[in-house]
Amino acid sequence: EDKVVQSPLSLVVHEGDTVTLNCSYEVTNFRSLLWYKQEKKAPTFLFMLTSSGIEKKSGRLSSILDKKELSSILNITATQTGDSAIYLCALSGGRDDKIIFGKGTRLHILP
Amino acid sequence: NAGVTQTPKFQVLKTGQSMTLQCAQDMNHEYMSWYRQDPGMGLRLIHYSVGAGITDQGEVPNGYNVSRSTTEDFPLRLLSAAPSQTSVYFCASSYGQGFRRPLHFGNGTRLTVT
Repeated sequence: EDKVVQSPLSLVVHEGDTVTLNCSYEVTNFRSLLWYKQEKKAPTFLFMLTSSGIEKKSGRLSSILDKKELSSILNITATQTGDSAIYLCALSGGRDDKIIFGKGTRLHILP
Repeated sequence: NAGVTQTPKFQVLKTGQSMTLQCAQDMNHEYMSWYRQDPGMGLRLIHYSVGAGITDQGEVPNGYNVSRSTTEDFPLRLLSAAPSQTSVYFCASSYGQGFRRPLHFGNGTRLTVT
């Protein structure tokens, strides 16, 4: 059965800290791994990863995929209170390339 | 520039009632899907469709029906609502097959079943 496991489920840090969020997966026919940020409403897209070892960056956020270890990490450096959100990892693959999500990591940044 | 439109935004049902959550997209996306989000559970896939006339079950399909008669619309039907279906429902679409482009989400429907 295809699945996505995120850790930790919850994290509280102080502003300025660096955090690493983890996502591991099991899937037949891997297509892509995606990261989303969810604040109050709908998730917003951060990164799509398809190739192993290639880092995607956007400002203070970066992500990398390790297909050998079946995992991905999302790094946030110099965290700000506006980074407080649920971070969701999603996987595309399996039959019909459907997209399934992990349970998310709830990140809270203290001022 | 509508994107993915969900209606209604809020709904309260009594146990046993039926209703349809509407989802429409104007981006000519082939892939459409429904998720439910409960506290601490992330997004769980209910049903998805890879094109008009084609639908399939996701992780939690029981109690829900879908159809895809046009590319634009993907309604979700609750046949006999139960309190366990109290949740926030998101519709999402993507260009081509799901893996080629990120999902675009609607703003969600908050459903309460009493």
